[in-house]
Amino acid sequence: ETGVTQTPRHLVMGMTNKKSLKCEQHLGHNAMYWYKQSAKKPLELMFVYNFKEQTENNSVPSRFSPECPNSSHLFLHLHTLQPEDSALYLCASSQEGQAWNTGELFFGEGSRLTVL
Amino acid sequence: GQQLNQSPQSMFIQEGEDVSMNCTSSSIFNTWLWYKQDPGEGPVLLIALYKAGELTSNGRLTAQFGITRKDSFLNISASIPSDVGIYFCAGQLSVMGAGSYQLTFGKGTKLSVIP
Repeated sequence: ETGVTQTPRHLVMGMTNKKSLKCEQHLGHNAMYWYKQSAKKPLELMFVYNFKEQTENNSVPSRFSPECPNSSHLFLHLHTLQPEDSALYLCASSQEGQAWNTGELFFGEGSRLTVL
Repeated sequence: GQQLNQSPQSMFIQEGEDVSMNCTSSSIFNTWLWYKQDPGEGPVLLIALYKAGELTSNGRLTAQFGITRKDSFLNISASIPSDVGIYFCAGQLSVMGAGSYQLTFGKGTKLSVIP
């Protein structure tokens, strides 16, 4: 059983809908991430939260809005998405140190999003 | 930005055969990682390499961190049906205080094993 759980596993929404993806990690980690996985493309980092503060935003459109209320929970709020936003959205967590980072990410199973 | 070239893109092999895949980069990394993604799941770390020239094994898996720090390979010996999935390489250039968000992923190698 994964230490990172994502809900919902599947989501179909219209372009005018507002929905949210949820991620929860049970590993005691201090950093959480949202990645987008599209077919035949590398994993794309969207957002990073380190100690609940957003430290990275890789030029993601404003129709994606992250929220990290505490170090265990991460949300991705979705609003007026486009069909090309259809993808698998993966949440991940890690334990970041001050001087050394292993590079190991713990991924959830993903939320498969389809935008009609 | 940094890009990783991962090859092959896909492989169809017979059960029992050995598998080899690799990643190359135009820039150096000080960490190379290999992840596997099973169908319907998120990626899971298989092997991490932290030193140029390092050769590390994990069961039937062997990975090496290239001497130039610009490449890495993953070998799987005696493949079995549960080896099916997508294998991703990832490189990281860590600096003091930097985080895992500096990972750069390859596009993946999709492995199919014919029983």
